[in-house]
Amino acid sequence: GQQVMQIPQYQHVQEGEDFTTYCNSSTTLSNIQWYKQRPGGHPVFLIQLVKSGEVKKQKRLTFQFGEAKKNSSLHITATQTTDVGTYFCAGQETSGSRLTFGEGTQLTVNP
Amino acid sequence: DTAVSQTPKYLVTQMGNDKSIKCEQNLGHDTMYWYKQDSKKFLKIMFSYNNKELIINETVPNRFSPKSPDKAHLNLHINSLELGDSAVYFCASSQGGGVGHQPQHFGDGTRLSIL
Repeated sequence: GQQVMQIPQYQHVQEGEDFTTYCNSSTTLSNIQWYKQRPGGHPVFLIQLVKSGEVKKQKRLTFQFGEAKKNSSLHITATQTTDVGTYFCAGQETSGSRLTFGEGTQLTVNP
Repeated sequence: DTAVSQTPKYLVTQMGNDKSIKCEQNLGHDTMYWYKQDSKKFLKIMFSYNNKELIINETVPNRFSPKSPDKAHLNLHINSLELGDSAVYFCASSQGGGVGHQPQHFGDGTRLSIL
């Protein structure tokens, strides 16, 4: 079955440093979604990427979808303590299939 | 107004007991899900219902039984609770039954602790 792998599992940064999490799928995806879960909270949808090579930005967050539609990344510029949480990617093989979540990257930001 | 609401928020119970978690969504979505999140934060899909019909049933012990009385509700009943059932259980909903690219909306989670 489809597998979605995410690295790193944990990342500790100093406030102001950049952060990147990577997501790789064993199969070609029709779309990929990103979610953020704050400590003690629930996953919250951030963004969806659909097109090959797509790049989307949300303030300090940059999301990329690979040309082959098998990988994706989330980059945060100049992290802040409010960025703390677990970031999940979730991929869908075809438009009618289930969403498969990656294992998540737990980000901690030291002030 | 809470979009996806789960009750209870916390559940502490003895091994061997039977318990239920309720979930309701007021977003008008037609697909609902149950996820289990362990201590390492891994999110595992357990079940999915589309318009009250079971469409995803992962390898979950048959002690877990979902019930969807209507498309706005998806409850989870667990029989004979075991220590390994301790986790956070999230309910979620989305529009479209997995067709298309609709995001999922999660409830606040139910923190289940087995003593």
